[in-house]
Amino acid sequence: QKEVEQDPGPLSVPEGAIVSLNCTYSNSAFQYFMWYRQYSRKGPELLMYTYSSGNKEDGRFTSQVDKSSKYISLFIRDSQPSDSATYLCAMSALRVWEGADGLTFGKGTHLIIQP
Amino acid sequence: GAVVSQHPSRVICKSGTSVKIECRSLDFQATTMFWYRQFPKQSLMLMATSNEGSKATYEQGVEKDKFLINHASLTLSTLTVTSAHPEDSSFYICSAKESSYEQYFGPGTRLTVT
Repeated sequence: QKEVEQDPGPLSVPEGAIVSLNCTYSNSAFQYFMWYRQYSRKGPELLMYTYSSGNKEDGRFTSQVDKSSKYISLFIRDSQPSDSATYLCAMSALRVWEGADGLTFGKGTHLIIQP
Repeated sequence: GAVVSQHPSRVICKSGTSVKIECRSLDFQATTMFWYRQFPKQSLMLMATSNEGSKATYEQGVEKDKFLINHASLTLSTLTVTSAHPEDSSFYICSAKESSYEQYFGPGTRLTVT
């Protein structure tokens, strides 16, 4: 079993729909959880960063972390065709930007928003 | 599943020296490899795209003479940071892909230049 499981999709939804993207993980040491969005031929861009359990909202995006279930989600409200991209979850046991070890990423979900 | 490894995971070097980072695809042939850099509290930033047997394509603002990328085989790409300086200290992560859209990331290399 991989440390982080993420359905690669593709996930195709109509414009305006609520999108739910999810990852599960097995390493209970993970404390920092991130979602990256990646457009074709571009580097992943950080969308959300959450420490420990709880919800976090940023505009149309909401992340949820449930450490007891080892499950994280990213919700996109009022989805737009421009949201079509690959979304990668990533997690770390330590803060990656303070000298910690590497991130553990999911494989990424290819999301298609149909106009 | 597809696995990408990086070596070393951590490296400390002195200012002015060069350091090489390897990125390997262990169980698939990577036609394209990417190199990213991540500074503290920043997103992964794409540095260059490397296709096997071709010269790497560098992103704007990335010095190609400073960050030498070699992708000589379908399973290996190397990033050499030449004449490293403290400001080059960062987290370098590669990813590799086959023909599909999926990218597989390496675990990253923490470079510290003293």
